[in-house]
Amino acid sequence: GNSVTQMEGPVTLSEEAFLTINCTYTATGYPSLFWYVQYPGEGLQLLLKATKADDKGSNKGFEATYRKETTSFHLEKGSVQVSDSAVYFCALSDQAGGGNKLTFGTGTQLKVEL
Amino acid sequence: GAVVSQHPSWVICKSGTSVKIECRSLDFQATTMFWYRQFPKQSLMLMATSNEGSKATYEQGVEKDKFLINHASLTLSTLTVTSAHPEDSSFYICSARDGHSYGYTFGSGTRLTVV
Repeated sequence: GNSVTQMEGPVTLSEEAFLTINCTYTATGYPSLFWYVQYPGEGLQLLLKATKADDKGSNKGFEATYRKETTSFHLEKGSVQVSDSAVYFCALSDQAGGGNKLTFGTGTQLKVEL
Repeated sequence: GAVVSQHPSWVICKSGTSVKIECRSLDFQATTMFWYRQFPKQSLMLMATSNEGSKATYEQGVEKDKFLINHASLTLSTLTVTSAHPEDSSFYICSARDGHSYGYTFGSGTRLTVV
């Protein structure tokens, strides 16, 4: 079946540090890949997505590249801010193997300090 | 962009009572809606998938008689937690899928506390 594996958190960084959150996946077909962000007490917001191999999703300074050869979709940001503190979820949608539902990773909490 | 409105944002109820949570897509037609449960510091657990006008498909281990899902229109789905107990206390999140763009939009979640 489909699965998403994320690095465990929490990840604690100083402001302006470089961020990488690793995400790898297993899927039956050709999935679309997503990163969602959840702020405390709120639902999930789509951060970025990629629908095919070598696509790069980007938004608000965050980037992730769909790497089919390594089945990865690592999230990166060059300079984090305190306001980026949240929980980040990697997810996939695999129409062939999982219907139209999302499969989530366990989430990685990011804490950015001054 | 697409917006999903989820209400209430929090609710406290007595053990044994039922609670209804609403999820509305405000500016698009949601052909499919998903209901998730999230425990503290954990990922989202998919409870069920509902398509407009048909019965919901529940994930393994989710009691369909306890968590009643109705998706009567393309813009509204409801989750009713029946005979709630303290162990049902959790954060419930809905998500709607746009039939045209196939994007997923999440509601802001409902914090349910059963006392």
